Amino acid sequence: QSVLTQPPSVSGAPGQRVTISCTGSSSNIGAGYDVHWYHQLPGEAPKMLLYANDNRPSGVPDRFSGSKSVISASLVITGLQAEDEADFYCQSYDRSLSDVVFGGGTKLTVL
Amino acid sequence: EVQLVQSGAEVKKPGESLKISCKGSGYNFANYWIGWVRQMPGKGLEWMGIIYPGDSDTRYSPSFQGQVTISADKSISTAFLQWSSLKASDTAMYYCAQEGPGNSFDYWGQGTLVTVSS
Repeated sequence: QSVLTQPPSVSGAPGQRVTISCTGSSSNIGAGYDVHWYHQLPGEAPKMLLYANDNRPSGVPDRFSGSKSVISASLVITGLQAEDEADFYCQSYDRSLSDVVFGGGTKLTVL
Repeated sequence: EVQLVQSGAEVKKPGESLKISCKGSGYNFANYWIGWVRQMPGKGLEWMGIIYPGDSDTRYSPSFQGQVTISADKSISTAFLQWSSLKASDTAMYYCAQEGPGNSFDYWGQGTLVTVSS
């Protein structure tokens, strides 16, 4: 069981908007640690999608955005495209575990 | 352009030792933390530990402390992950990644698949 909880799967039709949640606790997200997001296409290495909650690295389209609340964070993808189909992971730090922690991952299916 | 290039796939027997590598280029290797992440077949990402090549300061995830050794040789811009005695449960893809802002990982290697089977 992952310290950060993500839905196992989400889906949406092309052009739609989807949201992927990442729920933690008072020892990680709730303690003020940043949340980062990665996507992993089938058979490929993960790639950074967002860092520090809502910052996009160069080259990541503005269809991807992030937010952070008390003990959770969200990744929002608008204008869904077929090539967005991938696994998505959130990541933070947990002070109780003294460990970098990942969510269990969410598989996005574009219908 | 920052690149992390990992060594090739390995097939080993239980009890054997192994050292895999991650060579950085396109940046000052000594000045950025390099982490290792495990992904078991069909599973998610697990952080194993991290090293600062400049002075070899190393931190391990409690889950992996004592199970693996992380090292680096800044003279050849390469980080290493090694096992002294592999188990079947070490079968996984292993990624190296450069640490970015706030404990994020902004550049990733292509992964090294380690298969441990008798």
